[in-house]
Amino acid sequence: EAGVTQFPSHSVIEKGQTVTLRCDPISGHDNLYWYRRVMGKEIKFLLHFVKESKQDESGMPNNRFLAERTGGTYSTLKVQPAELEDSGVYFCASSQLRDRHTNEKLFFGSGTQLSVL
Amino acid sequence: DAKTTQPNSMESNEEEPVHLPCNHSTISGTDYIHWYRQLPSQGPEYVIHGLTSNVNNRMASLAIAEDRKSSTLILHRATLRDAAVYYCILRPQGAQKLVFGQGTRLTINP
Repeated sequence: EAGVTQFPSHSVIEKGQTVTLRCDPISGHDNLYWYRRVMGKEIKFLLHFVKESKQDESGMPNNRFLAERTGGTYSTLKVQPAELEDSGVYFCASSQLRDRHTNEKLFFGSGTQLSVL
Repeated sequence: DAKTTQPNSMESNEEEPVHLPCNHSTISGTDYIHWYRQLPSQGPEYVIHGLTSNVNNRMASLAIAEDRKSSTLILHRATLRDAAVYYCILRPQGAQKLVFGQGTRLTINP
């Protein structure tokens, strides 16, 4: 079974440009999450989808970040325009959707290393 | 979110057991104790989780103190591939997101 797949693995862009990151979750996983680690900081939650709906987007840093999950399958995270402080590793994770009392384990992708110059 | 405290780094030798401690004195009754690890150039990987009783799986064991204010992740026989950053995370029952701390960087010597 394929794991969580992220594309691209690396992206180098200039300040002010736009970048779109893609995440393909494990098939059948309705929960999809975006996290990121910026230089020297901890891994931080960005947002959580349940199918195509945004369940929690409390971690999104500002309105330059837009996440979508049309059709409830893959997700994209667009940064427009990118700033220097957006550099870091962006992780996607997915998990199965059970009842609200269950902690399902998260499966993470290998991440996208974003460098904004 | 309840906080966990872990040593910044630990070192052990190959084929020896490793005990990774975690303090969580403000844990609440519905908080599960989760452990994830991050190998170099990879995303975090689930290791184990528990609530009150000790837990074992093929990767590790989790020993939880009786008062639940601390726990220990046990790798019974470390290999070089176990070198990673290990995160101890409190996750309220039903909570979806994980809140990562700094973790413990584990180095395994050959």
